[in-house]
Amino acid sequence: DIQMTQSPSSLSASVGDRVTITCQASQDISNYLNWYQQKPGKAPKLLIYDASNLETGVPSRFSGSGSGTDFTFTISSLQPEDIATYYCQQYDNLPRIFTFGPGTKVDIK
Amino acid sequence: QVQLVQSGAEVKKPGASVKVSCKASGYTFTSYGISWVRQAPGQGLEWMGWISAYNGNTNYAQKLQGRVTMTTDTSTSTAYMELRSLRSDDTAVYYCARDSIYGGNSFDYWGQGTLVTVSS
Repeated sequence: DIQMTQSPSSLSASVGDRVTITCQASQDISNYLNWYQQKPGKAPKLLIYDASNLETGVPSRFSGSGSGTDFTFTISSLQPEDIATYYCQQYDNLPRIFTFGPGTKVDIK
Repeated sequence: QVQLVQSGAEVKKPGASVKVSCKASGYTFTSYGISWVRQAPGQGLEWMGWISAYNGNTNYAQKLQGRVTMTTDTSTSTAYMELRSLRSDDTAVYYCARDSIYGGNSFDYWGQGTLVTVSS
């Protein structure tokens, strides 16, 4: 099975800061990597699909990059409403399996 | 608009079974698969399995094989997840999530979550 790691597990940053989260897969997953935001008590929300594509309606300060085993998620200018836990998720087609990373909790300093 | 509305919270004893429903609206139900994802208190997201709403094909996470069954009722646009032989570590919020319009590699709509508590 493919394992996903994320770093850091948590971070604290100031409003306006650039925030970067990394996600690493245990083997090549091409661009089958998505990013979700989850606020406390809420269902996750899709932000980035296929490594770098912004979901409709998601602010452009969110972006994703990478392919193969190493991926990056960036918030270009952290806003108070971005306080949440962010998860990467990989997808396998044969068989159809999804695996989430452990998550990164983002707080305001 | 697309909506996934789940059934209400459940409290079950160890060894019992639970069946959670997820009623879809706002789209053609049989055109998209449904995954189930759970989240134990204070923990991360765990994918449990997937069902095709088109033909009922399923794929389950290996650790839940034999305890979980996912089904759909196309007449009511509802997906179901049944988990048997419940243990205390099955206590979690259970979400249904729809395959995205981007080829089904991600989940673009989620239910509101159903809390299942397993306690004696």
